Amino acid sequence: AQSVTQLDSQVPVFEEAPVELRCNYSSSVSVYLFWYVQYPNQGLQLLLKYLSGSTLVKGINGFEAEFNKSQTSFHLRKPSVHISDTAEYFCAVNFDYKLSFGAGTTVTVRA
Amino acid sequence: DVKVTQSSRYLVKRTGEKVFLECVQDMDHENMFWYRQDPGLGLRLIYFSYDVKMKEKGDIPEGYSVSREKKERFSLILESASTNQTSMYLCASNNPTGTQGGNTIYFGEGSWLTVV
Repeated sequence: AQSVTQLDSQVPVFEEAPVELRCNYSSSVSVYLFWYVQYPNQGLQLLLKYLSGSTLVKGINGFEAEFNKSQTSFHLRKPSVHISDTAEYFCAVNFDYKLSFGAGTTVTVRA
Repeated sequence: DVKVTQSSRYLVKRTGEKVFLECVQDMDHENMFWYRQDPGLGLRLIYFSYDVKMKEKGDIPEGYSVSREKKERFSLILESASTNQTSMYLCASNNPTGTQGGNTIYFGEGSWLTVV
């Protein structure tokens, strides 16, 4: 069985500071990894995904994530956040066409 | 752009009522999904469908059923709504052709259901 753990439920950060959201997964087989963002009162939007190849994945809005197979992690980073990055972020693992999600990390960006 | 449309954004229903949540996608996707989102629990898969009239249980199917009579439409049914089914429900779809298991899943904007 596969599972996803997001290590931080809340991350407050000041505008223009860097942010890292941590995600660990457990799976006995190869997986595909995703980060989604959910802005208030909206559905989920794909930020980036790792399918294969380079372990550093770049996504939309300046986000990037690094796949680390030995540590079974897929941490999300942004070097400088904006107020508009305030949202909930979900890490997900895709296996057999189904996505399993972490519990989510709420990022609050303050001026 | 891919569009997944959930017909109702906000619903209030009484305990014991039968509730239908409708979802339509316009990209001819083969797979469709229903998730439930609760604070601190993330998204949990209720049911998914990989073809018309085909369905499989997800992680939390109890108290729910689904219907997929047409490729573009996937309905979630609460046979007898209960207060513990108060939640945000998200519909999603994708197409499994290409990289197996790797295709992006697209989400609707969600339906907020309150059962009183």
